[in-house]
Amino acid sequence: EVQLEQSGGEVKKPGESLRISCKGFGHNFNDFWISWVRQMPGKGLEWMGRISPTNSYTKYSPSFEGHVTVSFDKSINTAYLQWSSLKASDTAMYYCASGPGALDVWGQGTTVTVSS
Amino acid sequence: EIVLTQSPDFQSVAPKEKVTITCRASQDIGLSLHWYQHKPDRPPKLLITYTSQSISGVPSRFSGSGSGTDFTLTINGLEAEDAAAYYCHQSRNLPLTFGGGTKVEIK
Repeated sequence: EVQLEQSGGEVKKPGESLRISCKGFGHNFNDFWISWVRQMPGKGLEWMGRISPTNSYTKYSPSFEGHVTVSFDKSINTAYLQWSSLKASDTAMYYCASGPGALDVWGQGTTVTVSS
Repeated sequence: EIVLTQSPDFQSVAPKEKVTITCRASQDIGLSLHWYQHKPDRPPKLLITYTSQSISGVPSRFSGSGSGTDFTLTINGLEAEDAAAYYCHQSRNLPLTFGGGTKVEIK
């Protein structure tokens, strides 16, 4: 059974960089894409993008492309979501998730707060 | 981009009553529609996959139907633990997209 474990909550200032992580466990971990999903305070779920653990091929939602970077370290089965310059509007809960079509395995979520 | 429109946004329902949530896609997505339950301080939980396929461990009161552009999630006999937000999600085309969500409150 695949499990996803995310890094802890972060508090950052506007303009700072950040990388959050999602570590995979289980023998089927590399079978499916890893997606990142955002939930802003009081809002719904938004798909940001995904990465293949096999070849690190990425695909982004147009709403997020150019603002975040998704990467994967095969040696430690860990996916990353990265910002080079945070904005206050990046304040949200971020989930990683995986699955063959539907997202049937989710990380516990990482809270990111961006405030001056 | 495929837009998923859920209705209603909010529903207040008494226990044991039936709940129906609809999800309309902006183009044909076949059966590639999935439903999630999302409670505060927890990650979303997959309830139904590919329109109507049940997920192990999910109570049988949850069911899904539809095809093409119109889909429905039904909760037959609402229980107190079902208070949550519910989202549809399509995996037919990239970018993947979610519906706006339906909040279900127990009366």
